[in-house]
Amino acid sequence: QKEVEQNSGPLSVPEGAIASLNCTYSDRGSQSFFWYRQYSGKSPELIMSIYSNGDKEDGRFTAQLNKASQYVSLLIRDSQPSDSATYLCAVEGSGNTGKLIFGQGTTLQVKP
Amino acid sequence: GAVVSQHPSRVICKSGTSVKIECRSLDFQATTMFWYRQFPKQSLMLMATSNEGSKATYEQGVEKDKFLINHASLTLSTLTVTSAHPEDSSFYICSAPSSGGAGEQFFGPGTRLTVL
Repeated sequence: QKEVEQNSGPLSVPEGAIASLNCTYSDRGSQSFFWYRQYSGKSPELIMSIYSNGDKEDGRFTAQLNKASQYVSLLIRDSQPSDSATYLCAVEGSGNTGKLIFGQGTTLQVKP
Repeated sequence: GAVVSQHPSRVICKSGTSVKIECRSLDFQATTMFWYRQFPKQSLMLMATSNEGSKATYEQGVEKDKFLINHASLTLSTLTVTSAHPEDSSFYICSAPSSGGAGEQFFGPGTRLTVL
């Protein structure tokens, strides 16, 4: 069973702090990894994609990938109340099918 | 970025009726689209892959005769929930792959289905 696992949370951080979201995956053949943000009642919105080991930064967001450990994370710096949402980790299954396997999501609460 | 639309955004129907949901790529062509279902406080579960010009491929456990998928053109895929029952009430979301980054998908706004 190919799985993507996340801590469901909620993860609560004060405004201005760094939020750290983690994800592990089971399919060693996966090559593409994504973080989506989903507000309640809305569809997911792509925040970051990462394909190579290491860090990738985009504004306040940094994605980190370690394929050897089958681990991907998302850091949100200077967290804002508007960042409060569910963050979904998604992994493209091996075989270049284009199919995404989603984790159950981590709920982030940023408190003013 | 690319835009994917869905219609309707919300539908309420009686048990036993069929409901059609449309997914359109507005400014790009999509030979493949994906249909997901999301129950409250759960993650997205892929239901099927819609292929333009050929049959959809369904994930294990998804009834193809209940969830009919038609990819009529390069910009339109439809999902029909046949003989809907209360347990089919869910948030249905479609997506289309980006022509850019590998594996990136753009999601439609979703359709909230409530079956009474």
